[in-house]
Amino acid sequence: DAGVTQSPTHLIKTRGQQVTLRCSPKSGHDTVSWYQQALGQGPQFIFQYYEEEERQRGNFPDRFSGHQFPNYSSELNVNALLLGDSALYLCASSNQGTGGNNQPQHFGDGTRLSIL
Amino acid sequence: GNSVTQMEGPVTLSEEAFLTINCTYTATGYPSLFWYVQYPGEGLQLLLKATKADDKGSNKGFEATYRKETTSFHLEKGSVQVSDSAVYFCALRKGNNFNKFYFGSGTKLNVKP
Repeated sequence: DAGVTQSPTHLIKTRGQQVTLRCSPKSGHDTVSWYQQALGQGPQFIFQYYEEEERQRGNFPDRFSGHQFPNYSSELNVNALLLGDSALYLCASSNQGTGGNNQPQHFGDGTRLSIL
Repeated sequence: GNSVTQMEGPVTLSEEAFLTINCTYTATGYPSLFWYVQYPGEGLQLLLKATKADDKGSNKGFEATYRKETTSFHLEKGSVQVSDSAVYFCALRKGNNFNKFYFGSGTKLNVKP
């Protein structure tokens, strides 16, 4: 049973560029959340997708956008990259359909994004 | 607002020592509380959880009790091992239908043989 998978594992971009990160949720999960984890910090919630719609959003600018596909996989897009966007981006999945609030989130290993 | 505060690390212990990592939270209502562990180069793994006051979560010798009166969820283990060395995150979850997690800044644990 595959867990949450993210790609790529590492990525290097320059300021002003755009990036797309991808996430496949754990089998049986229908909800995907994205987090940004700066070095030495805890994960910060970016947004959450369920039924292909953004359901909740944290305090991140519109440069951060996302998408969820019919197979529940998801993408995180960041435009006009800044040096401060350098971080580990984590995807987490859960199953909203069965007792949502009692279901823990399962995390992928993340994508390490470095901005030069 | 909702937030989690953890004791700053790193915490350095000798093998078989007793571990406590403090965690307090601020939230309205009745959040669920979690401890996650992160090993180098990996994502977060759920360690234990508690969904209501006075619940005790436990796993792999770790335990934490949801104390609403002190808004705390301290992590404890009676005898740590070198393999427990990692970063530990306390988190709370709020939300009626689409839950949202708030994480603390993490506490690094180093266990020496």
